[in-house]
Amino acid sequence: GIQVEQSPPDLILQEGANSTLRCNFSDSVNNLQWFHQNPWGQLINLFYIPSGTKQNGRLSATTVATERYSLLYISSSQTTDSGVYFCAAWRDAGNMLTFGGGTRLMVKP
Amino acid sequence: GEEVAQTPKHLVRGEGQKAKLYCAPIKGHSYVFWYQQVLKNEFKFLISFQNENVFDETGMPKERFSAKCLPNSPCSLEIQATKLEDSAVYFCASRQGARYTFGSGTRLTVV
Repeated sequence: GIQVEQSPPDLILQEGANSTLRCNFSDSVNNLQWFHQNPWGQLINLFYIPSGTKQNGRLSATTVATERYSLLYISSSQTTDSGVYFCAAWRDAGNMLTFGGGTRLMVKP
Repeated sequence: GEEVAQTPKHLVRGEGQKAKLYCAPIKGHSYVFWYQQVLKNEFKFLISFQNENVFDETGMPKERFSAKCLPNSPCSLEIQATKLEDSAVYFCASRQGARYTFGSGTRLTVV
């Protein structure tokens, strides 16, 4: 099956700092999505990014499919960015997502 | 609407009781998935549907868990004779095209 690994597992930042979260995945993955699970437990879509780079405000993501990794960048972090960031991958239409173990981010004021 | 609606938000059951969770996927989404999140970080796949047909049920503990997605009704996940280890947040997701959209989850507590 698909393997998805995330690093680091935990991250503590001071408000205003930048960070990079990493997601490595096994081969034969052709779909990848980043989620933010906020402290209330809601899973929020951030990016669908099977390849290339996307940006949305202070967040951006890059996936290099040939090297089997994806990066999520958070710039000028805010306390509201706290929570757990998951990447999840799948192969083909209808197939289940395989989640990484998540990166737990705490942004301190 | 453009959200996956899960009910109830919280459910408390005594050990051995039945629990039933509901999910209304986004209209027009043909795939529905159920996941169980335990220990805050770990997601376990349970079952998926393509329209009303089971697509993949490899994650389901079939002796106590069952699920349905019938036309014109919310999808449901039912746990017979709940056990303490069933305590978790159960997420439903639907998908059409490339993106998965998750509901807010149902927190099941078995006491």
